Amino acid sequence: GESVGLHLPTLSVQEGDNSIINCAYSNSASDYFIWYKQESGKGPQFIIDIRSNMDKRQGQRVTVLLNKTVKHLSLQIAATQPGDSAVYFCAEIVTSYDKVIFGPGTSLSVIP
Amino acid sequence: DVKVTQSSRYLVKRTGEKVFLECVQDMDHENMFWYRQDPGLGLRLIYFSYDVKMKEKGDIPEGYSVSREKKERFSLILESASTNQTSMYLCASRPVAGGTDTQYFGPGTRLTVL
Repeated sequence: GESVGLHLPTLSVQEGDNSIINCAYSNSASDYFIWYKQESGKGPQFIIDIRSNMDKRQGQRVTVLLNKTVKHLSLQIAATQPGDSAVYFCAEIVTSYDKVIFGPGTSLSVIP
Repeated sequence: DVKVTQSSRYLVKRTGEKVFLECVQDMDHENMFWYRQDPGLGLRLIYFSYDVKMKEKGDIPEGYSVSREKKERFSLILESASTNQTSMYLCASRPVAGGTDTQYFGPGTRLTVL
């Protein structure tokens, strides 16, 4: 399953498949980006970040891709597991004046 | 591990009541933030504080005030609660040192104003 952006707030994927969650950011001056995961009833948790001088960063089962040309950020989750079910949202930051803008989020549901 | 705690997970208040939401962090972070989270709107910044006794308005400060008397504690105050302040309130903290802009969030307080 592939997300088509923040106007699609829910994404359902089969357990074991890869997930792609997209984020269109708004400010071309943003130079730092974070993906957060928020499980039901909990506060957001940091997953992975990327600075604007990079276009890809990998973590454990997660990869963030940054395309500054079209102001697009994506989060890829490999081999999605039931524990990955959560709302995921991106944050864009202009570090020079400490401005953070959070996206509305995408709800990921993993089908066992 | 950074721990950010909020005084209540769920709170129900009546219109016109004064409401206090407390946030405590145990990692000696200088910066602290209060957000509200509403479906489809993402997190919106209410107030933030760069250090003790300091406070700055965020994007939606109307109807709220804050207090930062101690470094570890940041309080959000609703002077006279209204139904449009029903929301999830999230507190976050962030260190100045460390080269990161990552904020560490508390579990949230779901406030209902009747």
